[in-house]
Amino acid sequence: DTAVSQTPKYLVTQMGNDKSIKCEQNLGHDTMYWYKQDSKKFLKIMFSYNNKELIINETVPNRFSPKSPDKAHLNLHINSLELGDSAVYFCASSHIQMGNTEAFFGQGTRLTVV
Amino acid sequence: GESVGLHLPTLSVQEGDNSIINCAYSNSASDYFIWYKQESGKGPQFIIDIRSNMDKRQGQRVTVLLNKTVKHLSLQIAATQPGDSAVYFCAENTLSGNTGKLIFGQGTTLQVKP
Repeated sequence: DTAVSQTPKYLVTQMGNDKSIKCEQNLGHDTMYWYKQDSKKFLKIMFSYNNKELIINETVPNRFSPKSPDKAHLNLHINSLELGDSAVYFCASSHIQMGNTEAFFGQGTRLTVV
Repeated sequence: GESVGLHLPTLSVQEGDNSIINCAYSNSASDYFIWYKQESGKGPQFIIDIRSNMDKRQGQRVTVLLNKTVKHLSLQIAATQPGDSAVYFCAENTLSGNTGKLIFGQGTTLQVKP
């Protein structure tokens, strides 16, 4: 059973396109995240949702719009893709209400904008 | 400011030797620290964590040391194996007003030579 699953694993698209990445967790966690990992492996948080409410919104272009239809899902929609958006995007989840801040990560989506 | 950094980008060790990966952090308010392992093509995987009221914690073949005086933590891996080859990240969090947000260091690549 996959704890945090995201699709697709690879995504190659042209500049200017709009694309979405989906994420689902079956851990019963109350909080989900999107992290971006650049070419130098640096991981930085983008967004966080707690019980479907946005609680963290780092300085991310508004071309990025997360959507959480329920506690188990957090999707990331990106409009007007740019070359600089190429990176690996990781979805993660944790249960902060329980005081447990260990985050479980998905396998990542490698986005390549050409 | 917020930053978590690692002293060395790459560490090469002989199989069977012990490995020590270091990390420095700057946020004195951080009270929870985690080490993650990321293998090629996968998401970060939890290894071990430590809270600021401790200075040492041991797991299976791994030990994390925390020195709050100099804002430094380290991950020690005993009897390093080829399967330990990966990128290792330290991350910090603040449990008070917890949002689950993790601030990651830059990562150290561990290479295990047979």
